[in-house]
This record gives sequence, C-alpha cells and structure tokens, in this order.
Amino acid sequence: DAKTTQPPSMDCAEGRAANLPCNHSTISGNEYVYWYRQIHSQGPQYIIHGLKNNETNEMASLIITEDRKSSTLILPHATLRDTAVYYCIVRVAGGNQGGKLIFGQGTELSVKP
Amino acid sequence: GAVVSQHPSWVICKSGTSVKIECRSLDFQATTMFWYRQFPKQSLMLMATSNEGSKATYEQGVEKDKFLINHASLTLSTLTVTSAHPEDSSFYICSAQRPQEEGYTFGSGTRLTVV
Repeated sequence: DAKTTQPPSMDCAEGRAANLPCNHSTISGNEYVYWYRQIHSQGPQYIIHGLKNNETNEMASLIITEDRKSSTLILPHATLRDTAVYYCIVRVAGGNQGGKLIFGQGTELSVKP
Repeated sequence: GAVVSQHPSWVICKSGTSVKIECRSLDFQATTMFWYRQFPKQSLMLMATSNEGSKATYEQGVEKDKFLINHASLTLSTLTVTSAHPEDSSFYICSAQRPQEEGYTFGSGTRLTVV
C-alpha cells in the first residue's frame, strides 16, 4: 500500500472549516483514500473514503486532486469535539479481500474556541 | 451501524501472568479482524490479521508465541498476552471489516497495564 504524508499538527478556530491535507504521490490506480480519526484513548472512527471523485457525507468532504497524488479532508464547521488525530490511509479496495489498514503518524487537529 | 465491542476496556495484571482481550462484532459477521497496539504519543501499529478458522498472520517483529490470537467464530477474536511484562503495557485495539463494504469498524480499545 502507498505511503501517505501529513502535517504533524494543525490548529483551527471553532466554527471555521478545517482543511487537512494528505500527500500520497505513489498511490496506485486501484487504491482508495481513507480517512479515520482518533479521539484520545478511543478506537479510530471512520470518516470517509474515495477513489477519484470528490465525496461528501454528514461528517466531512473529501477532495482528491485529478492526478490523485494528494487529497484534502474538509470539516466544514469544526467544533471542539473534532479535536483528534486524523489519519489518511491508502489501500487497495476489495470487499472481502480483508486488506490491512496501515496507519501513519496522522495530523493532530486542535480546534480552539 | 456496525459495532465492534472490545472487552475489557482496561486491565491491570501482574508481571508473568496472561491476559485475554476479546473483540466481538455485534451485528455483523467478520471473517477477518485486525489487532493493533498503540504506545503513548504514537500511531497504531498493526500486530496481526486474524482469520476465522485459520491461523493468524503476524506482522514482522511481533512474537506469535507471546501474542496468541484465536478467531474461533465469525463474531469473536481474542488476543492473549502471555507472560506479560511491563513493556507490554499499551493500548490494544481490534478492528473488523464490514462485509460487502469498504470500511473498517474499530473497537474502543483495551488499556493494559502490567505491574
């Protein structure tokens, strides 16, 4: 699975949009981009994933560049409860193939009042 | 939605004893589960892939005789830390892949402290 690069930390003002970047320049054509977050001392929580089209759900939006070498997770109106470590992961999709999720260092997002 | 239950949420044990951690998929069947370990201020490190009805696949550097994994049913995988030592103190997390979906659901983790 391709490796990802994320900034170690970011700050965001409460109520503003949080834009978390991720570089995955070695991504393969059949690899999806996944985003998870981990609030302190809890298990990771799934946020969103995508292949090449932009995706949006109730939690966030995922913007993937046309060359797929980078992506941005957008939390449109960050709240204090969004303070967490955010992980960008790429892996091969495949239903029941059971591919591994390998975590990098992630971005520690601090939402401030 | 899919729920993965992990038990216990925390445990303290004496050095030299064994500890069993359970991971259950509550509303779906999981043929594959994963076990991670996380030290303070660090990311999750994959320890092993647990496959129902077969032997687990361990990542490089993980001692299979120390971290025993059993996946006897489609809804339960267990991790046993044998002869625990203080350096095994960590946060252990399991996850399961939801069938026919691309996402993974994680348990809430188990904080192990070996004294």
